[in-house]
Order: sequence, then structure tokens, then C-alpha cells
Amino acid sequence: DVKVTQSSRYLVKRTGEKVFLECVQDMDHENMFWYRQDPGLGLRLIYFSYDVKMKEKGDIPEGYSVSREKKERFSLILESASTNQTSMYLCASSPGGDRGETQYFGPGTRLLVL
Amino acid sequence: LAKTTQPISMDSYEGQEVNITCSHNNIATNDYITWYQQFPSQGPRFIIQGYKTKVTNEVASLFIPADRKSSTLSLPRVSLSDTAVYYCLVVLNTGFQKLVFGTGTRLLVSP
Repeated sequence: DVKVTQSSRYLVKRTGEKVFLECVQDMDHENMFWYRQDPGLGLRLIYFSYDVKMKEKGDIPEGYSVSREKKERFSLILESASTNQTSMYLCASSPGGDRGETQYFGPGTRLLVL
Repeated sequence: LAKTTQPISMDSYEGQEVNITCSHNNIATNDYITWYQQFPSQGPRFIIQGYKTKVTNEVASLFIPADRKSSTLSLPRVSLSDTAVYYCLVVLNTGFQKLVFGTGTRLLVSP
């Protein structure tokens, strides 16, 4: 079974802190994605990566950056956390060969910024 | 504006068949249509995927008309455990090809 793990299920941070959300997948997938999910807004793509050291902006990249130094790991960075970044963050991976239609999701990190 | 649209919510009773439709008016030609299920406090989970006509697996069926501008997820004989949010995922032509999740449909199954 594909396994996507996220470093924390719940996280509480203060405004202005730098926040790292880590995601690791164990199926040698080329593609990795970061989403945020808010009530009534569905899944919104923040960043994605189709290869190591490669990144592409999604729909809402402002206030976020990412890092993919190894194939299995994709990190989401909040440079200076703000209260409007309180949300559920979901990481996903998918095999190469498609555009990402077959995604495997992690359990999510619920982030609260105070 | 190219987008995907689903009903916000649906109600059903145990044992009934449920059909959830996703409209995607500007879908790319050569990519799959995929459906996901999400329970509270969990990530979405892959249910079924198809390109055209009909696909069936042990969980659901997926109907895709010839023009591919919509797709319908069919859940036969739902149970209480099918209460979840269901999302479609497609590749849209928006000047460039873009992977887009639908707005999600909250299904409530009652006894």
C-alpha cells in the first residue's frame, strides 16, 4: 500500500513564526502536491512538484514556499505564519506518467495560527 | 471560466443507489476523470477512475458520456459508512492544462 505521512496531525503556532510541514511518501512517486482545505472552499492547490528540486506554483502560493531535495520528501514552508493560514493542510503524491489524477493523500495537518 | 461543478450536498437512505454528477465543461482531451471520497479528519481516498463510457469496480461505477463534459459517480446500495464528501478530479483546458478538483458533494446517508 502507498503510504503518505505528514509530520504532525495538529500544530499550533504564533503569528510571525516560520512553520515547516513535512511530507514523506514511500512509493517512489515522481509527483507531489500540497493543498489546503477550508470549509466551503474545497481543496486548493498551493504548490506541486513533478521531480526532485522542481516546483510549480498552484492556485494559492502566496505566503508559502516549498522544498523538494529528495524524491520522497516534499516540505511546505510558511515563511511568516499569519492567522489566515489557519487551515487543514494535505499532502499527496502520484506516480509519474500521468498529470496527477491518481493521488494518494496523507492524513492532513491541522494548523492553528494564533 | 473553465471549472468543475458538483451539487453541494445530497441526502439518501441506506440501501438506495446514489448518483453524483460533476460538470466539467472544458475538459482536456486525453486525461482521466477521477473520483475521491473523504471522511472527516482524513485525506481524500481514490475511489474510481475512467476515460470514457462506463467503468465499474467493487465500490462504485463511473459513467462518462461521449462529450466528456460531465461524469456521474454511482454508489449502489449505500450504507451509513458511505456518508462522506465526494470530489471529482479532472484536467481542464484553461489556456494550459490544469488539474482541478471539483467543489465537492457532501453525501449524508440516513438509516
